[in-house]
Amino acid sequence: AQSVAQPEDQVNVAEGNPLTVKCTYSVSGNPYLFWYVQYPNRGLQFLLKYITGDNLVKGSYGFEAEFNKSQTSFHLKKPSALVSDSALYFCAVRDTGGGNKLTFGTGTQLKVEL
Amino acid sequence: DSGVTQTPKHLITATGQRVTLRCSPRSGDLSVYWYQQSLDQGLQFLIQYYNGEERAKGNILERFSAQQFPDLHSELNLSSLELGDSALYFCASSVAARDRNSPLHFGNGTRLTVT
Repeated sequence: AQSVAQPEDQVNVAEGNPLTVKCTYSVSGNPYLFWYVQYPNRGLQFLLKYITGDNLVKGSYGFEAEFNKSQTSFHLKKPSALVSDSALYFCAVRDTGGGNKLTFGTGTQLKVEL
Repeated sequence: DSGVTQTPKHLITATGQRVTLRCSPRSGDLSVYWYQQSLDQGLQFLIQYYNGEERAKGNILERFSAQQFPDLHSELNLSSLELGDSALYFCASSVAARDRNSPLHFGNGTRLTVT
């Protein structure tokens, strides 16, 4: 079964500094990977996806993610963090079976401080 | 705004009771997914429907059931509620059942509190 792991429960970064939120995956076959963000009392918002092609994927709000097949990783990055980026971030992998569901990681709380 | 509508936003009920959560997918989306988010379990997939048919099942308890109606809205029924059922329940939708390229679009959830 496919799965993703987010090794950090929380990441703290100063505003203006680059940020990285880590994700590793385990799938059989080609991975379909996604990043979502959740603000308090809101649903999950889609940020970006990797299906195939370039290893650097650009998404919403200045976020990007780097796909690394040899390290089975799909880390979320942003060159310059904003306080408003503070939220809960989820990595997810698409089902390769009969359905189309996403399996999510445990989430990483990002805190951007002034 | 994702276009996915969930009602009610909050629900407080007692143990042993039964509740119904409702979801209207984005216009044009045929597939609906239900997820449960709790502090100890994280985001857990419950069930998926596509155009009225059950497509995939996750860790859904026997006390829980769902359906998707001809107008494509979906309902999640939770019965014999226990304290541990307190969670945020999300509905998501996508265009197709097997289009791996399309992301899921999530509603804002229904927060269920069982007392």
